[in-house]
Amino acid sequence: DTEVTQTPKHLVMGMTNKKSLKCEQHMGHRAMYWYKQKAKKPPELMFVYSYEKLSINESVPSRFSPECPNSSLLNLHLHALQPEDSALYLCASSPGGGTESNQPQHFGDGTRLSIL
Amino acid sequence: GENVEQHPSTLSVQEGDSAVIKCTYSDSASNYFPWYKQELGKGPQLIIDIRSNVGEKKDQRIAVTLNKTAKHFSLHITETQPEDSAVYFCAAGTVQGAQKLVFGQGTRLTINP
Repeated sequence: DTEVTQTPKHLVMGMTNKKSLKCEQHMGHRAMYWYKQKAKKPPELMFVYSYEKLSINESVPSRFSPECPNSSLLNLHLHALQPEDSALYLCASSPGGGTESNQPQHFGDGTRLSIL
Repeated sequence: GENVEQHPSTLSVQEGDSAVIKCTYSDSASNYFPWYKQELGKGPQLIIDIRSNVGEKKDQRIAVTLNKTAKHFSLHITETQPEDSAVYFCAAGTVQGAQKLVFGQGTRLTINP
């Protein structure tokens, strides 16, 4: 069983809806990540939080809004998504960041998102 | 930036035989190379990783080799079993500093009974 927990496992939403994806880890990790994975493709990095501060934004559209309320939790707020945003959204965590070792990354099982 | 190429894209082997998946990377600053296994409906699971100060690492039936000079690394699975069937991703990154992992395109491994 994965130590990174993501909810919900599946989400169907319309293009005008607002929803949030949640991720939780209790490994004491200080770096957390959001990835997007399309079918038959590798994960693509979206955001990185290091010590609860956003450290990397891979030019993700503003309809995706990340939030890190504390070191164990990571949210991804979704608004006005497009059909092409349908994908598996993966959360990951790793021990540290900055000058500390930031590997390995451990993934959750993802949220399967479908945009109607 | 870093670019990782992975071959083959699909691999089919008989149960009990060995499987080898190869990756090359472009950025000599990369010093960390994990391998992930992704089963249907699951997230990627770390199965083995290697750092650039080591040439080979083994964990039971799984081994990884790294050639820093040639910038390539390989995953070796011996005595394959049906439960080894999955998609395998290699990746390259750094132990410290930038927290990005760049993934290869994946290899779909099928073990035939």
